[in-house]
Amino acid sequence: NAGVMQNPRHLVRRRGQEARLRCSPMKGHSHVYWYRQLPEEGLKFMVYLQKENIIDESGMPKERFSAEFPKEGPSILRIQQVVRGDSAAYFCASSNDYNYGYTFGSGTRLTVV
Amino acid sequence: GENVEQHPSTLSVQEGDSAVIKCTYSDSASNYFPWYKQELGKRPQLIIDIRSNVGEKKDQRIAVTLNKTAKHFSLHITETQPEDSAVYFCAAPSSGSARQLTFGSGTQLTVLP
Repeated sequence: NAGVMQNPRHLVRRRGQEARLRCSPMKGHSHVYWYRQLPEEGLKFMVYLQKENIIDESGMPKERFSAEFPKEGPSILRIQQVVRGDSAAYFCASSNDYNYGYTFGSGTRLTVV
Repeated sequence: GENVEQHPSTLSVQEGDSAVIKCTYSDSASNYFPWYKQELGKRPQLIIDIRSNVGEKKDQRIAVTLNKTAKHFSLHITETQPEDSAVYFCAAPSSGSARQLTFGSGTQLTVLP
């Protein structure tokens, strides 16, 4: 079992560009969560998805940010027109139908220059 | 929504001593309380969790205690070793969604040799 796979591990974008972060959950996991972590800070909830459904996006900024988890393929977190304040580590986690415990991916470290 | 407070933010102990980290939560309906360990530059990893139907759970040198009346839970690490040095996060389910976790702000534990 490959665990939760996130790519890319590191992403550098210029201000105004788009960032696309991908997350493949563990095999058998249908619940996907995205969290943002600033340096030396905690994990801030962004969005919770199941296949083809956004369950809760209350932690995601209304503008520029979107997420999806299509029927086929990985979950995508998309940030349009990135700004320096978007620089952070973005972690994806997944869980199955039987347990609440999360398995985290290795994260994508986004740097906006 | 759920509010999770974690203390202390930093903790230094001598190797072999015990370490205790405490968290409080606000939603009395919360029923699942995990603890995650995050080493520098790595992903958070689940180390132990407890459900609300028990008051204590142990796994070798790690234990978690839960006081539902007072709405707080604690992580206990005994016989600490240098490899225990990391940031530890507690979490509790967000109000309205048992699967979506709200994380504490983290505790940087340093075990001094």
